[in-house]
Amino acid sequence: DTEVTQTPKHLVMGMTNKKSLKCEQHMGHRAMYWYKQKAKKPPELMFVYSYEKLSINESVPSRFSPECPNSSLLNLHLHALQPEDSALYLCASSQVLRLNTEAFFGQGTRLTVV
Amino acid sequence: AQTVTQSQPEMSVQEAETVTLSCTYDTSESDYYLFWYKQPPSRQMILVIRQEAYKQQNATENRFSVNFQKAAKSFSLKISDSQLGDAAMYFCAYRDIYTGANSKLTFGKGITLSVRP
Repeated sequence: DTEVTQTPKHLVMGMTNKKSLKCEQHMGHRAMYWYKQKAKKPPELMFVYSYEKLSINESVPSRFSPECPNSSLLNLHLHALQPEDSALYLCASSQVLRLNTEAFFGQGTRLTVV
Repeated sequence: AQTVTQSQPEMSVQEAETVTLSCTYDTSESDYYLFWYKQPPSRQMILVIRQEAYKQQNATENRFSVNFQKAAKSFSLKISDSQLGDAAMYFCAYRDIYTGANSKLTFGKGITLSVRP
């Protein structure tokens, strides 16, 4: 199993809503990542979890709240988002120690904030 | 801080022809990893090829090969016998080996490749 599964595929939410994005992998990877990607732009790193602990937060606004409940799951909780937060949100996972190995990406959640 | 530069925003190639995508990077490290990722309209980022900086030999994966010039900090991707399915956005990426658990990929801006039938 070399898949990273993200749900939902598409999400439309109002600025007062609370929603969550989910990411799951069963490759035994102990590093998991959230990226934000705007159209025709590279992914921008948001958060890195290593061994279920937050190791990098790239100065992301607090309306984005990550959670890693176990080694296979990564969530991104969303609250009071702004229209400019509309983007593709990508989850990825990789091995921690073998850094020459690839990061596996999910297909992303297309988020629209209205 | 490491930077990755892809200066060509778009390229086009005729089916069955060869195309080269350019990438340069800047780092003060001597050991690191370089990657080319492909992102088709389906959105999923897929690894195309990887190169370890300590290896002299250029990496190859079937129709994909790289020209890695460490001194020049250049890492170009050559696609031979281009196919319609190669049409996608391609990102060059860098990863430092020394940051351990805090390692992260640094991406270039990407290049959109179109393939003409």
